[in-house]
Amino acid sequence: GAVVSQHPSWVICKSGTSVKIECRSLDFQATTMFWYRQFPKQSLMLMATSNEGSKATYEQGVEKDKFLINHASLTLSTLTVTSAHPEDSSFYICSARGFLGYEQYFGPGTRLTVT
Amino acid sequence: GENVEQHPSTLSVQEGDSAVIKCTYSDSASNYFPWYKQELGKGPQLIIDIRSNVGEKKDQRIAVTLNKTAKHFSLHITETQPEDSAVYFCAATTSGGSYIPTFGRGTSLIVHP
Repeated sequence: GAVVSQHPSWVICKSGTSVKIECRSLDFQATTMFWYRQFPKQSLMLMATSNEGSKATYEQGVEKDKFLINHASLTLSTLTVTSAHPEDSSFYICSARGFLGYEQYFGPGTRLTVT
Repeated sequence: GENVEQHPSTLSVQEGDSAVIKCTYSDSASNYFPWYKQELGKGPQLIIDIRSNVGEKKDQRIAVTLNKTAKHFSLHITETQPEDSAVYFCAATTSGGSYIPTFGRGTSLIVHP
């Protein structure tokens, strides 16, 4: 149980284009989903927290107009990187938490490369 | 806010040895402490967790201990195997608010066969 999927697993896009990453909780309902960014050999950097049906709460320094987050249902959240630039290249990971408990389950991550 | 320190940053052991990773936290209100294992190119996987009302928890070869007074918790892996090689992250979660965990910087565990 507690499986979280992400799609795509990797994506290459050209500078200036937008990319959408999907995060799904497959066997539980996620009241809260989190989006992280991870640079090589570094820890997880929280970008934003989203609750189903509510606007996402962004961490300080994260541009909400650039990283659009939509938590449309209890099993789906999306992250759209708008007007991507090479500096947006990174490993993006989502996680989900259910109604009960503190447990947070992570997706497999999406490798974004902007050329 | 919460601050989590994790040591060591790198740990190299021989297969069959034990490995210990330690974390300290600053916020006495933190009450949930998960440990994650992250293999290269993959997302973190929850391997064990402990709540503040428990001092120790064990699951086969892995165990976690918590000392609330000293505000530190540790991950213990016994009889290490090459497949245990990965980066391990500790985290501390504070009750109230959105229960957002604060992560340590990670420990790269290398198990030599």
